[in-house]
Amino acid sequence: AQSVTQPDIHITVSEGASLELRCNYSYGATPYLFWYVQSPGQGLQLLLKYFSGDTLVQGIKGFEAEFKRSQSSFNLRKPSVHWSDAAEYFCAVGEVGYALNFGKGTSLLVTP
Amino acid sequence: SQTIHQWPATLVQPVGSPLSLECTVEGTSNPNLYWYRQAAGRGLQLLFYSVGIGQISSEVPQNLSASRPQDRQFILSSKKLLLSDSGFYLCAWSLARGGAETQYFGPGTRLLVL
Repeated sequence: AQSVTQPDIHITVSEGASLELRCNYSYGATPYLFWYVQSPGQGLQLLLKYFSGDTLVQGIKGFEAEFKRSQSSFNLRKPSVHWSDAAEYFCAVGEVGYALNFGKGTSLLVTP
Repeated sequence: SQTIHQWPATLVQPVGSPLSLECTVEGTSNPNLYWYRQAAGRGLQLLFYSVGIGQISSEVPQNLSASRPQDRQFILSSKKLLLSDSGFYLCAWSLARGGAETQYFGPGTRLLVL
């Protein structure tokens, strides 16, 4: 069955430290991959997406993600976290003609 | 540019009362439209999606229904709310023109059923 897994429910990092949020998927073909961010009480904002081509994708707010086919992963990274990055992060996976399948999210807390 | 609106932003309703949440999209034509629910501490649950006027697909059986009376309008309804209907409701749109669907989300409606 198709699935998306975000193994970390909560992550705490210090401001200025690097960040990596994990996302693993189980799909038959190469899927389309997305990362969204949700601030408290807000809708979801698209950070970046991967459809094809270069496996390292740059997004907004200084985020990047790398597609690794051999590991079925699409991890989100940021070299230096800012306090404003505290939010909920969702990985999503899709195929043409189907609605997106979202992970359960990772809650990021940034400490001073 | 495209924008998506949802209203109301917040709603407090008694159990057994009806519900109507509205979502409208501007700046595009014939979008795919989606309703999601996000319960506290959980991920997103797809409730309904629509690929055109009057075309609604339901993902989860429940006491909610959806309608699409116009191309860019999507309505979520209930005849009688349950306590379990409380949550954050998100509307989203996408354009799937032979490619993958990037979904764009509205600001959401927070519903509290008492």
